[in-house]
Amino acid sequence: EIVLTQSPGTLSLSPGERGTLSCRASQSVSSSYLAWYQQKPGQAPRLLIYGASSRATGIPDRFSGSGSGTDFTLSISRLEPEDFAVYYCQQFGSSPWTFGQGTKVEIK
Amino acid sequence: EVQLLDSGGGLVQPGGSLRLSCAASGFTFANYAMSWVRQAPGKGLEWVSAISGSASGTYYADSVKGRFTISRDNSKNTLYLQMNSLRAEDTAIYYCAKGLGGYHTGWGGAFDYWGQGTLVSVSS
Repeated sequence: EIVLTQSPGTLSLSPGERGTLSCRASQSVSSSYLAWYQQKPGQAPRLLIYGASSRATGIPDRFSGSGSGTDFTLSISRLEPEDFAVYYCQQFGSSPWTFGQGTKVEIK
Repeated sequence: EVQLLDSGGGLVQPGGSLRLSCAASGFTFANYAMSWVRQAPGKGLEWVSAISGSASGTYYADSVKGRFTISRDNSKNTLYLQMNSLRAEDTAIYYCAKGLGGYHTGWGGAFDYWGQGTLVSVSS
């Protein structure tokens, strides 16, 4: 099983700042089958990024993904008030599909 | 517009059974892999099970293998999860989720649409 470790656990930032979230895999993620999701309290997750760097439909371009192999990054160029949420990475290249434990982006 | 409507959750005693349903609309249901993902209270996300578009392939997390069965009825655009021998640790919100593509395309494991979730509580 591929274990995904996200860091930091909590990221305290102000609106307008840049956020950088990390996801490290215990083994190489095949074909960049790596996704990022955003989840707000009481809501279902929302797909942001798939294939490590492709934005999902309707996702603003301030969200970008990068990385390959075992190291992946989600960047938020300028935080908007609606971006404060929990973010999860997920690998789907190897069964069982697994999620990271999440990074909470909170208002500083 | 794609919609996924989860239902069937509730309170059940340990060892009991429950069947979840997910009614899908707004897309060609049979063309996409579907999954169940759960979230225990205050915890992260856990993939539970997936099924290919034709239902020829089913896949499970080790934590539920042998106890849960995923199925789908493409004529009714509905996904199911039969849960038997339920345990306290199965308590969670269960979401159905649509894959970005078919299972064998490799993209079935990225989830572009989610249901609203249905709460399963296992307690005596």
